[in-house]
Amino acid sequence: GAVVSQHPSRVICKSGTSVKIECRSLDFQATTMFWYRQFPKQSLMLMATSNEGSKATYEQGVEKDKFLINHASLTLSTLTVTSAHPEDSSFYICSAEPGRGQALGSYEQYFGPGTRLTVT
Amino acid sequence: GQNIDQPTEMTATEGAIVQINCTYQTSGFNGLFWYQQHAGEAPTFLSYNVLDGLEEKGRFSSFLSRSKGYSYLLLKELQMKDSASYLCAVKDSNYQLIWGAGTKLIIKP
Repeated sequence: GAVVSQHPSRVICKSGTSVKIECRSLDFQATTMFWYRQFPKQSLMLMATSNEGSKATYEQGVEKDKFLINHASLTLSTLTVTSAHPEDSSFYICSAEPGRGQALGSYEQYFGPGTRLTVT
Repeated sequence: GQNIDQPTEMTATEGAIVQINCTYQTSGFNGLFWYQQHAGEAPTFLSYNVLDGLEEKGRFSSFLSRSKGYSYLLLKELQMKDSASYLCAVKDSNYQLIWGAGTKLIIKP
């Protein structure tokens, strides 16, 4: 199967600090990775799409200078929340999509377990 | 614009059957996905439809009608653990995944 890991699973940080979240595809190459944010009792909100070796594409309203995304390899993408504030507290979820040609079926997105960020 | 509609919340009884509908208007179509998401957890993949018809997978089935822009997820023999949100998502012509807001399913004993 296709497994995506995410680290850390939970982080508490002080306002003004930066937090880095890692997303790894463990057994497949992910040419595209996605970062979502989900507030309590709300649906997933796509923040950005990252393709390996190129700049991420951010959704409207998402500050690219605040949410830095690096997709340095086919198995790793990182999201850095810079100068975090309490309103950034949320559940951050990454997902990965295998490259074409990999026998993983229907090109669905495979989700990591999520990172719960709390900014105090 | 692109839009996916599904009911906000549904309630069903343990052991019964429930159908969660999803209608979509997207620029192109490259498949429809259903995901299950328990509170505080990431979504997990349930089903994928790209051709019209019914796909059955155990207690869960998913139906697609491309001409009507319509899908449903059918859950049989409901169990308490099926209480979750069910997300409908469509891949558009750019292979971008468009998400519905999700249907919260409450199972009562």
